[in-house]
Amino acid sequence: GENVEQHPSTLSVQEGDSAVIKCTYSDSASNYFPWYKQELGKRPQLIIDIRSNVGEKKDQRIAVTLNKTAKHFSLHITETQPEDSAVYFCAATRLGYGNKLVFGAGTILRVKS
Amino acid sequence: DGGITQSPKYLFRKEGQNVTLSCEQNLNHDAMYWYRQDPGQGLRLIYYSQIVNDFQKGDIAEGYSVSREKKESFPLTVTSAQKNPTAFYLCASSTSRDSYEQYFGPGTRLTVT
Repeated sequence: GENVEQHPSTLSVQEGDSAVIKCTYSDSASNYFPWYKQELGKRPQLIIDIRSNVGEKKDQRIAVTLNKTAKHFSLHITETQPEDSAVYFCAATRLGYGNKLVFGAGTILRVKS
Repeated sequence: DGGITQSPKYLFRKEGQNVTLSCEQNLNHDAMYWYRQDPGQGLRLIYYSQIVNDFQKGDIAEGYSVSREKKESFPLTVTSAQKNPTAFYLCASSTSRDSYEQYFGPGTRLTVT
């Protein structure tokens, strides 16, 4: 089955700096890679996702890149703000087979002001 | 928020007792999922259902049971056979049509002593 590894487990950045979180996956058949943000005490929410037919996707200050050959994808947050502080989870799945997401262990991002 | 609800928010049980966690959605989503969240381990899939009266085991189904008698409801029973039931349980749903986003409920924190 699919296995997703996520690094780093914690990340501290200064406000205004960029943050990068990396994930690797094992199943070459996986073709959908979402990122979820979970603020303290709240439910996870989708912030961006990418399909395997695309190498990069941006949405304002966040972007995701995908390298299918190396089987890794990354979340990039630019101009970080205190409200970006949260736990971020990457996930992977092969669409059409129940869309069962396999999540990484999560990254605690702390943005220091 | 809204659309998918879980109750109760906190639940306390004695070891050896079965307990049922509620999950309801009014989003008209076909697919529903149960995850368990433990510190440092991300979200792990317990059971999922793509359609009424059908459900499949996830990665950690042992000691759990589910039912899907109605499209809106997907209750999870934590049985006495689950060795480490204390955890945060998250329910999610998705359309699996034009979007693959999973919408999460607020979660139930179960403590078994």
